[in-house]
Amino acid sequence: QVQLVQSGTEVKQPGTSVKVSCKGSGYTFSDYNIQWVRQAPGQRLEWMGYINAGNGNRKYSQKFQDRVTISRDPSASTAYLDLGSLTSEDTAMYYCAREPTNRVFLDNWGQGTLVAVSS
Amino acid sequence: QSALTQPASVSGSPGQSITISCTGTSSDVGGYNSVSWYQQHPGKVPKLMIYEVNKRPSGVSNRFSGSKSGNTASLTISGLQAEDEADYYCCSYAGYSSVIFGGGTRLTVL
Repeated sequence: QVQLVQSGTEVKQPGTSVKVSCKGSGYTFSDYNIQWVRQAPGQRLEWMGYINAGNGNRKYSQKFQDRVTISRDPSASTAYLDLGSLTSEDTAMYYCAREPTNRVFLDNWGQGTLVAVSS
Repeated sequence: QSALTQPASVSGSPGQSITISCTGTSSDVGGYNSVSWYQQHPGKVPKLMIYEVNKRPSGVSNRFSGSKSGNTASLTISGLQAEDEADYYCCSYAGYSSVIFGGGTRLTVL
């Protein structure tokens, strides 16, 4: 079955960066996009960006584009989200999700990675 | 635009039908047939319920249906059940490979 397994909880200090991984299994990793979505405590889902796991094309939300990098390693069936210049407002659950290429819906989600930013 | 507009909350009794609206603009909801809906129970991962306006993934109950008129998409849940109580988010393609979510709607089954 399709699974996306994310890396574990991160506790970071303000001003540092965090890297979250998302490993896909049960499907051909390169045939899909990986989207990244975050959710602050009690708040809505917020789109951060995506990567085409096959050709590496990516797009970032304007809100994050100055400090986010999304990458992938097809040989490891893994995508990564790198977010820098962290502040307390970045404390959130970060989700990766699979999206069929050339379509816009998230059909399988990772379990989420909690990133807590605190001094 | 920061988020699509959804009502903060809706409620209904078991067996009733409810509709959740999702209003955007001609640059997102109105411009593409790429609206999807997600159900999220507290502390859980979002789950795809509707995609491409009105399509249901395998395994999703046919009590869930979607539609769109102009810049507003809608999710209708018929025959409400206690297990439907959750947060619901709409999502739309917004052009230039970007995506936008709604603010979320809390559904309470009375």
